[in-house]
Parts: sequence; structure tokens; C-alpha cells
Amino acid sequence: KQEVTQIPAALSVPEGENLVLNCSFTDSAIYNLQWFRQDPGKGLTSLLLIQSSQREQTSGRLNASLDKSSGRSTLYIAASQPGDSATYLCAVRPRGTSGSRLTFGEGTQLTVNP
Amino acid sequence: EAGVAQSPRYKIIEKRQSVAFWCNPISGHATLYWYQQILGQGPKLLIQFQNNGVVDDSQLPKDRFSAERLKGVDSTLKIQPAKLEDSAVYLCASSYLLAVETQYFGPGTRLLVL
Repeated sequence: KQEVTQIPAALSVPEGENLVLNCSFTDSAIYNLQWFRQDPGKGLTSLLLIQSSQREQTSGRLNASLDKSSGRSTLYIAASQPGDSATYLCAVRPRGTSGSRLTFGEGTQLTVNP
Repeated sequence: EAGVAQSPRYKIIEKRQSVAFWCNPISGHATLYWYQQILGQGPKLLIQFQNNGVVDDSQLPKDRFSAERLKGVDSTLKIQPAKLEDSAVYLCASSYLLAVETQYFGPGTRLLVL
């Protein structure tokens, strides 16, 4: 059974700092991995999707890497801003499952202080 | 482009009562998902539709939960009877095809069972 773990559970940083969020998964047989952002009281917004054949994806100040063999992904946020404050979730789509079920981690709650 | 719509946004009921949630996916999206997100946890897939057919309902508690997607567009999720542990946010998502694309999430329905 695929399990996804995110560390740390919560992170508080001053504005302008570069930071890394970690995600690990137990089964390397995946189609892809996604990073989502969730604001309080709102749904999830997809940030980056990395296919299993890819090593990283970049969008603006965000960079996500994937090391499938070790079961790890990181989300790097450069020059953090107060608007980046949210919960960040990673999710994998395992191979061998019907449909396109995503297995989520429990998230990292990020606070960027002005 | 309009996003995924859900209603109601909030619902409070007493245990053993029934409740229904509605979702309208992004126009043209064939795949629709219902997730349950308990406070402090990542979302868990309950059921996935491809058009109006069920692709994956392996994690749906079928003794009390039911879902349908008539005509392959809108969907309803019902809980009957509700239990205290059903208190959660119910998220609807959609994607264009049953493949490796991004899933787009609605704002969710927050359910409190007293």
C-alpha cells in the first residue's frame, strides 16, 4: 500500500527566505507526482506535476524535484513571500491502480512572516 | 473558464440524518472525483467517474455513502445516515481524461455532524 509522508508538518519562516518542503513515498511504482497548494477554506490548486520519467519541474519561484528510486520529492520555494502562506500537499498516482487515484500526504503548513 | 462548482459550501447536521452534496465539473471534463478530507489529513479518494461510469469506488463506504453522475456531467454524493466521523471537507475534482493530467479541485463542502 502506497504511503506518502511530508516533513515538516509545519514551517514558519521570515519573508525572503528560500525553503524546501519534503515528500517521501513508499512505493516507487508511480505514474507521476504532484504538488498542490491549499488555502484555508478553499480547494486545492495544482502547482507542479512531475511525470515519472522526469527529474524536475519549474514554475516561477517554485522548483520540484523527483527521485523515484529513493521515493523522494522536494518543493523548493525561492524568495518566499507572505502570499505563499498555505498548506502544501504532495500526491502520487500509483501504478497498478484502477483509474487515476491520487494518494496524498498530510501536508506542510507554511507561514511566511512579513 | 469556469472552475469546478460545489454546493453547499457548509452543512451542519445531526448524526443519523441524511445529506447530499452537488458538484458541477469543468465543461468538457470527462473524469470526476470525490475526495474526503478530514481535518489535518490529506484528501482521500472516495469515488471516481469516467463520464457516467464508476472507475474506482474501492474506498467508498458503501453502507452509507452513494454517488451518481447522471448524463456524465453533474454529480451528487449522499451520506445516509451520517456519523460523527463523517465530519470533513468533501472535495470534488475533475480532469479532461483518465490519464496523467492535472486534477482541478472545487472549493469543497465543509460538513459538520453533531
